[in-house]
Amino acid sequence: DTAVSQTPKYLVTQMGNDKSIKCEQNLGHDTMYWYKQDSKKFLKIMFSYNNKELIINETVPNRFSPKSPDKAHLNLHINSLELGDSAVYFCASSPGRFSNQPQHFGDGTRLSIL
Amino acid sequence: DQQVKQNSPSLSVQEGRISILNCDYTNSMFDYFLWYKKYPAEGPTFLISISSIKDKNEDGRFTVFLNKSAKHLSLHIVPSQPGDSAVYFCAASVRGSGDKLTFGTGTRLAVRP
Repeated sequence: DTAVSQTPKYLVTQMGNDKSIKCEQNLGHDTMYWYKQDSKKFLKIMFSYNNKELIINETVPNRFSPKSPDKAHLNLHINSLELGDSAVYFCASSPGRFSNQPQHFGDGTRLSIL
Repeated sequence: DQQVKQNSPSLSVQEGRISILNCDYTNSMFDYFLWYKKYPAEGPTFLISISSIKDKNEDGRFTVFLNKSAKHLSLHIVPSQPGDSAVYFCAASVRGSGDKLTFGTGTRLAVRP
């Protein structure tokens, strides 16, 4: 069973479009995250949710809107896609925001903007 | 400002020998450090961690050393195996920051048979 699963794995779309990436975890964790890995392979946190509540928002453009319908799901919606949004997006989860327990990552969604 | 740095983008080691991967950090507030391993087209997988109250943590073939005064940590893999070939990321967090991880840029390890 996949612990943290993301869909789709690949997403190719045109500039200006709106797209969503879905993430689900079956670990019973309270906290979920979105990370972006850019062309320089630098992994940087974008958002964190704890029990459906936003707790970290790292100065990400407001074209990016995370949504957590329940604590097992954290989706990422991106409006008006730009060339610079091309990257690999990773979802992760951990037991809790102050647990200092390792985060578990999904396999990533490679977003390519044409 | 990159607070976690892995200055060696790549490392090549003979099978059976020791692999040493290094990581430096600048934020003295970091108190929890982790190493992740990543294969192509997969997400990072947790390997080993260390709290700032310790200077060494060992798990099988993997040992992490922390030198707080130098703001340096290292991952030792002994003996290295071809299956260890991957990109290794160092990460750090501040207790109470909501588990926000700050990652280094990774070191690609190649273990030669």
